[in-house]
Amino acid sequence: AQKVTQAQTEISVVEKEDVTLDCVYETRDTTYYLFWYKQPPSGELVFLIRRNSFDEQNEISGRYSWNFQKSTSSFNFTITASQVVDSAVYFCALSEGQGGKLIFGQGTELSVKP
Amino acid sequence: DGGITQSPKYLFRKEGQNVTLSCEQNLNHDAMYWYRQDPGQGLRLIYYSQIVNDFQKGDIAEGYSVSREKKESFPLTVTSAQKNPTAFYLCASIGGYGLVNTEAFFGQGTRLTVV
Repeated sequence: AQKVTQAQTEISVVEKEDVTLDCVYETRDTTYYLFWYKQPPSGELVFLIRRNSFDEQNEISGRYSWNFQKSTSSFNFTITASQVVDSAVYFCALSEGQGGKLIFGQGTELSVKP
Repeated sequence: DGGITQSPKYLFRKEGQNVTLSCEQNLNHDAMYWYRQDPGQGLRLIYYSQIVNDFQKGDIAEGYSVSREKKESFPLTVTSAQKNPTAFYLCASIGGYGLVNTEAFFGQGTRLTVV
C-alpha cells in the first residue's frame, strides 16, 4: 500500500542552523513521483520540488537541498542556514503512475526562532 | 493565467445541510483531487479523479460525494452524513506528459464551518 511517513511532527531551530526534514515512503510501483510542499500560515501550498523514481540525483536550490535514496525509500529535505521565513509546515507527498493517487505525509512543523 | 480556483474561500453551513465546494482548473489537467485538513493535521485524501466521468474514493470518502462531468471541474459535496465537516478543504490537479507527472497545483482552499 502507498504510504508517506514524516516522523518529525515539530522541529524548532535557531536562525542560521541547518535542519533536515525526514520523509520515508512506501509503494509497490516502480514508477512514482515524490514531492515536497511548504504550507505557510496563510494556508496555501507552495510547491518546492518534484522527483520521479528514475532520477536519484540529489538536488540543490539555493539554501534547499534534497536527498533521494531509493535503497532506504527516503526523500529528505535539508534547509541550510535557516531563516525565520522558513517557518511553516512542510509536507512530503507521493503519487504513483500518471495522475494516480496522491497522498501526503502528516507534515513537519518547522519553527525558526531569531 | 492558468491555475486552479476554489470557491468560496469561507463557507458556513447549518447542521443537516448539504453544501457544495467548487473547484475549477484551466490547466488542462486530467487528474484532480480533494483533501481535507484539520488543525495541526496533514492532508487526507477524500476523492480523486483521473479522467472525466470517473473518480475513486480516497481514505475518508464517507459523507462526501463528487462528480466529474467536465475536465475543468471537480465539485465536492459535503453531505449531512458527514458528522464533523468543519475543516479546511483543498483541491488539487496534476497534469501528465507521457510518463511524467507535473507537480500538483493547489487551489487557495475553502474553510468550511458548521454553525
